[in-house]
Amino acid sequence: EPEVTQTPSHQVTQMGQEVILRCVPISNHLYFYWYRQILGQKVEFLVSFYNNEISEKSEIFDDQFSVERPDGSNFTLKIRSTKLEDSAMYFCASSNSGGSEAFFGQGTRLTVV
Amino acid sequence: SQQGEEDPQALSIQEGENATMNCSYKTSINNLQWYRQNSGRGLVHLILIRSNEREKHSGRLRVTLDTSKKSSSLLITASRAADTASYFCATDALAGGYNKLIFGAGTRLAVHP
Repeated sequence: EPEVTQTPSHQVTQMGQEVILRCVPISNHLYFYWYRQILGQKVEFLVSFYNNEISEKSEIFDDQFSVERPDGSNFTLKIRSTKLEDSAMYFCASSNSGGSEAFFGQGTRLTVV
Repeated sequence: SQQGEEDPQALSIQEGENATMNCSYKTSINNLQWYRQNSGRGLVHLILIRSNEREKHSGRLRVTLDTSKKSSSLLITASRAADTASYFCATDALAGGYNKLIFGAGTRLAVHP
């Protein structure tokens, strides 16, 4: 069964450093998403991406964040100048149409120290 | 409450019993989805119910949707210890925002053998 894969599964970084979280969405999907979940809290929407551009983003997704689809398979989330409060699980998801079932990866646990 | 709020927050039952979780939301929606999350893991899609549907079944899962009350319920029948997980409802907004899912805080279900 096709699945969304995310790497790394766990990343520890120093405050102020930049991190890139990587995702390989399901190959025939057209919509890509990043969500985050701070430990014990809600899953929060960050950004959606369609047709090589951001289609929607939340208040959380400020200038510190950026997304890119550098090739036909990868979808990345870059966090510049990480802060302690960026520590969370980051989930990538993809779907074949807007508003349809979204398939989630296993997440990357980001720890900022 | 915010879009996609579940209750109860936590539910503890014995194997074989049924588990019912509820979700309320505020805005008009295209569809409502239920996801499951094992501790520290990714989100697994369980079922999607469209705004023009009232009930849907999938195996031991039964989902209802009442758009007049802006609420949904997830029933797991004949629960098993392996059903222990957090369950989230997620909605997309009818008026724009269909490229993002808004998750509730989740219900933590514990099924005891």
